[in-house]
Order: sequence, then C-alpha cells, then structure tokens
Amino acid sequence: QKEVEQDPGPLSVPEGAIVSLNCTYSNSAFQYFMWYRQYSRKGPELLMYTYSSGNKEDGRFTAQVDKSSKYISLFIRDSQPSDSATYLCAMSQNSNSGYALNFGKGTSLLVTP
Amino acid sequence: DGGITQSPKYLFRKEGQNVTLSCEQNLNHDAMYWYRQDPGQGLRLIYYSQIVNDFQKGDIAEGYSVSREKKESFPLTVTSAQKNPTAFYLCASSMYPGNSPLHFGNGTRLTVT
Repeated sequence: QKEVEQDPGPLSVPEGAIVSLNCTYSNSAFQYFMWYRQYSRKGPELLMYTYSSGNKEDGRFTAQVDKSSKYISLFIRDSQPSDSATYLCAMSQNSNSGYALNFGKGTSLLVTP
Repeated sequence: DGGITQSPKYLFRKEGQNVTLSCEQNLNHDAMYWYRQDPGQGLRLIYYSQIVNDFQKGDIAEGYSVSREKKESFPLTVTSAQKNPTAFYLCASSMYPGNSPLHFGNGTRLTVT
C-alpha cells in the first residue's frame, strides 16, 4: 500500500465552483502536511502548510487535516481558470524538509470559464 | 529576484551519453535536492545535500551522481547506467536542512533516445 494516495483526476469544474482535493495516507506518524500547486511545465509552488491537525485558511484556500481518518483536504473557493493546475499533497513525520517528504501523485484540476 | 535556476529547459541526448543538469540558487539556502517526476507519478527524491561538500542518496539514486562544491550550485549527472533517464527533473532548495519549506526551480525536461 502506498503511503500517500491521491486521485489523479482530471477534475473539471465550472468557474466559481468550490473545489475539494483530497489525499489519504497510511502512516499515522505523519504530522507535517503540505499542498503544492504545479502549472504545466513548471516547478511546484507551496500553497499551504499545516502542522498536526486542524484547519488553515489563506484567501480562497483552506487546508484541513483529519488525523483520526488519515485524510487531508484542500478547498478552493470561487475557483478561477487560473487555478487550473496539478495539486500535489506532501507529508512527513518529522520534518517538512525535502528529504523527509512523501508526495502524492497529484490531482489535475481544470476550471472552465 | 531570488530563486532557483535550472538549465537548460529542454535537453536531448543519445542513449549511452552522460548528461549534466544545472541547478543554481541565489536564496542562500543550505539544503538542495533533486527530484524526478514522471507522468502519473509523484515526486521521487534522487539526491539531497544539507551542506556544502556533503550529499546523501535519496530513494532512486542509482544511475545518478551529484556534487556540491558551492552552496549555490548542485549539478546532477544522469549517467548511462540510468535505465530510464527520460523524465522531468526538478531541483529544489530549503533554508535549513530541517524544518523549512521547499522552493522549486522550473525543471529540465530530459529526453534520451
């Protein structure tokens, strides 16, 4: 079983919709959780970072961590065509530094005007 | 502007040739990383370096080599021993080897025929 599972999509939504992106994981020791956004032929950029459980909000983006269910989510409100990208979740148990991260395979999102 | 520069953006090589991918950062970050990204795959760690003149193997180091002679530079050599070298290669850095988020370059697409 992969440590981090992420539905590859593609997920297609109309502009203005609320988007929900999810990852599940198997290692209960994970406590650092990240979401990266990657545009086509570009490097990933960090969107959200959460330590342990709970919610974190930044503008139109909300990250949720449910450690009891081993499930994390990224919500995008009022989605825009510019949100069309691949979203990667990443997590680790003792650091958010690169050598420790376990990445999901990414979910491709398309927001149509 | 501070950032990570990967060059070239596209690289073509014949099978059996070694090729070196460049990665330079002007963020004054201590740690640097090389990842490989294949379609439908998450990011896989090739090598990382937490300090100048020191580096460690990641999950898929076979067929690759690196050097870290300067803080700002972390070149990756894809050798002829790498069985499936065609991929998108991403370089990243973080301020500290421990808990600090990754900053990515925009990648090099290597095609070997």
